[in-house]
Amino acid sequence: QTVVTQEPSFSVSPGGTVTLTCGLSSGSVSTSYYPSWYQQTPGQAPRTLIYSTNTRSSGVPDRFSGSILGNKAALTITGAQADDESDYYCMLYLGSGLRVFGGGTKLTVL
Amino acid sequence: QVQLVESGGGVVQPGRSLRLSCAASGFTFSSYTIHWVRQAPGKGLEWVAVISYDGSNKYYADSVKGRFTISRDNSKNTLYLQMDSLRAEDTAVYYCARGDDYYGSVRHYGMDVWGQGTTVTVSS
Repeated sequence: QTVVTQEPSFSVSPGGTVTLTCGLSSGSVSTSYYPSWYQQTPGQAPRTLIYSTNTRSSGVPDRFSGSILGNKAALTITGAQADDESDYYCMLYLGSGLRVFGGGTKLTVL
Repeated sequence: QVQLVESGGGVVQPGRSLRLSCAASGFTFSSYTIHWVRQAPGKGLEWVAVISYDGSNKYYADSVKGRFTISRDNSKNTLYLQMDSLRAEDTAVYYCARGDDYYGSVRHYGMDVWGQGTTVTVSS
């Protein structure tokens, strides 16, 4: 069974930069997994930030960027703001129509 | 504007069935793959199923395979999720989400638009 790993929690200072990662329990994440990133605040539906590794969804500010760092997908937030405090989920495409989400990272801005 | 609206959630006993719907508007529904994603209380997102633009291809997470059926009616701009043999662990908010445009030039394999979700509670 494929397990997608994310940091359970992270904190960043207002105005700071943070990089969240998305890995595989076995193996490396590459662009072939088409990693995507989603932001969710409590009680709200998810919002798409990034798809296909580094393409920002419509309306997403360029403070959010996606990449591959080493053997993981990464979401970098620069100039963190208070309303960036959310849960962040990555999702990987496994092929044969299947997708899997990571467990999510709870980001605190303080 | 582009919109997805889920309905059909409720409280159901274990072993029973429920059908969710997702009504689409503001875009050419028949051109897009559509996903179901769920979130159990206090837990993360879980991908459930996806259906191709024309309904010819359907894929499921192992946790629901053989119990859930995804379908669509492009004449009604509506997606469905038939959930049979429901279990307590199926209790979740269920979201529909738009995937790739079949006629687009690039595949991204993710989701770009989400509904607000409908709540399913499986309990005796």
